[in-house]
Amino acid sequence: EVQLVESGGGLVKPGGSLRLSCAASGFTFRNAWMGWVRQAPGKGLEWVGRVPSEAAGGTTDYAAPVKGRFTISRDDSKSTLFLQMSGLSTEDTAVYYCTSGSVLVDFWGQGTLVTVSS
Amino acid sequence: IVMTQSPATLSVSPGETATLSCRASQRVNTDLAWYQQKPGQVPKVLIYAASMRATGIPARFSGSGSGTGFTLTISGVQSEDVAVYYCQHYNSWPLTFGPGTKVEIK
Repeated sequence: EVQLVESGGGLVKPGGSLRLSCAASGFTFRNAWMGWVRQAPGKGLEWVGRVPSEAAGGTTDYAAPVKGRFTISRDDSKSTLFLQMSGLSTEDTAVYYCTSGSVLVDFWGQGTLVTVSS
Repeated sequence: IVMTQSPATLSVSPGETATLSCRASQRVNTDLAWYQQKPGQVPKVLIYAASMRATGIPARFSGSGSGTGFTLTISGVQSEDVAVYYCQHYNSWPLTFGPGTKVEIK
């Protein structure tokens, strides 16, 4: 059974930083494109970014609102995905979902809530 | 590429047909997926490649369209279909979702 379990969410002040983690199991993590999708409270879905598998190669993609502030990385030896967020603003308040898939989301984590507020 | 959806909310009686529309600001060929997000749940893929049902999706869900205009049809709506439906293109990065259509039961 595929499982994606996010952690690291919480309350952070504007301008602050936060690092999310996603522990994956039930599939060959190193062969999978991984990503992050977020959903602001009561709002729609927004891709944050995606990272290719090592085999696929290529670069990590970011959505315009987060480019330069967020960094996606992965540790294939630990089947873990990371999202380092800095320069956070209230507009970044959302549930952050860890996802698998390059263009479609095959699997979703349950999400972790990030609240940016003073 | 900006995705738009209409209507924002659709109220249908059980057994009726629901027709949801999605439009892309640029041509995306058939690189279009539909997701269903039920209350309190994570989304799941219903349709990909504009018209292909994902594994395990009931036949009452069908997709059509290409280029810039797409439709999701739910034939014989059931109470369990109450959800927000999102379209998403995957023609190029950035991948973008539409704002969603909320389907309610009368």
